[in-house]
Parts: sequence; structure tokens; C-alpha cells
Amino acid sequence: KNQVEQSPQSLIILEGKNCTLQCNYTVSPFSNLRWYKQDTGRGPVSLTIMTFSENTKSNGRYTATLDADTKQSSLHITASQLSDSASYICVVFAGSARQLTFGSGTQLTVLP
Amino acid sequence: ETGVTQSPTHLIKTRGQQVTLRCSSQSGHNTVSWYQQALGQGPQFIFQYYREEENGRGNFPPRFSGLQFPNYSSELNVNALELDDSALYRCASTTPGETYEQDFGPGTRLTVT
Repeated sequence: KNQVEQSPQSLIILEGKNCTLQCNYTVSPFSNLRWYKQDTGRGPVSLTIMTFSENTKSNGRYTATLDADTKQSSLHITASQLSDSASYICVVFAGSARQLTFGSGTQLTVLP
Repeated sequence: ETGVTQSPTHLIKTRGQQVTLRCSSQSGHNTVSWYQQALGQGPQFIFQYYREEENGRGNFPPRFSGLQFPNYSSELNVNALELDDSALYRCASTTPGETYEQDFGPGTRLTVT
């Protein structure tokens, strides 16, 4: 069964600090992995998309890594801001099935 | 905001009733997916339509069904509503291309009492 597991479930950090969110997946066949940011009451917004051949991708203060061998990904946020408070969701795309498998998300809270 | 719209915004139904939720996709997006999102959880894939045919389905019973129309708008129908069906239902339309980027709608909040 295709699964995406994220950790931690929730995280609280102080403004200006860095943090790293983890994602492990068992989706097969793998096409790409993306990280979404979902603000409360809003739809998910894509931060990064990585294919099998990519092991790191940055989008501003967000840097995602991918290890396709161990089926692990991480999202690193540097110099956090209050606006980073949101749910961060890891999603894996199985190309041949054209299906996305979503993780349950990590709820990040940034405090002043 | 994306160009994906959904209606209604909120809906309250009674257990056993039927409900239809609607989604209008971005122009040119011929693939639409529907997701159920419980409070505090990530979206769960229900099914996907491509050119008016279902071409992918998650772990949801047959009482969850859908339609996609020639203009790529779509409907999610749920029969015999159960209390656990209470959730936010989002549709997402797909940017054509290999990355399968999705634009999500704002969702319909369904409450079953």
C-alpha cells in the first residue's frame, strides 16, 4: 500500500530559528515528490517538486532534499518567520497511476 | 488564489441523504481530482477524472462517485451519507505536463448530522 509518513506531527519554534521536517514514503512507482504549504483555511500551495534525479531544490528560505534510495525527503526552513506558521504536507506522485499520495502533514507554529 | 472554484462553500446534511458538490477548473486543465480532508489531516485522494472518465481511485466506497463535463467542470456525489463523511472536500485541477502540478480549490465544508 502506498504510504507517506511525516514527522514530527507538530513543531513549535521561535521566529528566526531553523527547522527540518521529515517525510518517508513507500509509493511505487515513484515519479516526483513535492512539498506543499497549507495555511489554515486555504488550499495547499506547492513549494518544491523533485524528480528521481534531483536530490536538493530550494525555494527562497525553503530547501528540500530527496534520497530516492532510502525513500526519504526533508524540508529545511531557515530564518523562520511568523508567516511560516502552517501545515507542511509531503506528497508523492506515482506517474503511471497518475495518483498522488499525501502525508498527514506537519503543523508548524512560529512564535515571536 | 487559483482559478479553481467550488460550490457550495458550506453544506449541512442529514445521515442517509445524498449530496452533490461542484468544481470549476482552470481553463485548459483536463484532469480534476477530488480529495477529502478531515480536520488536522492531509488530503485523502478520492478519485480523478481525465477527459470525462475516471482514471484513478483511492480507498473510498462506491457511494462516492463523480462526473466530469466537456468543459472540464466536475461533480462529486456522495450517497447514503454517514457521520464520518463530515470533512472538507477539495477539488484540484492539473496543469498539463510531466510534473502534474495541481491547483486546489477553496473546498466545500460538509457537515453530516
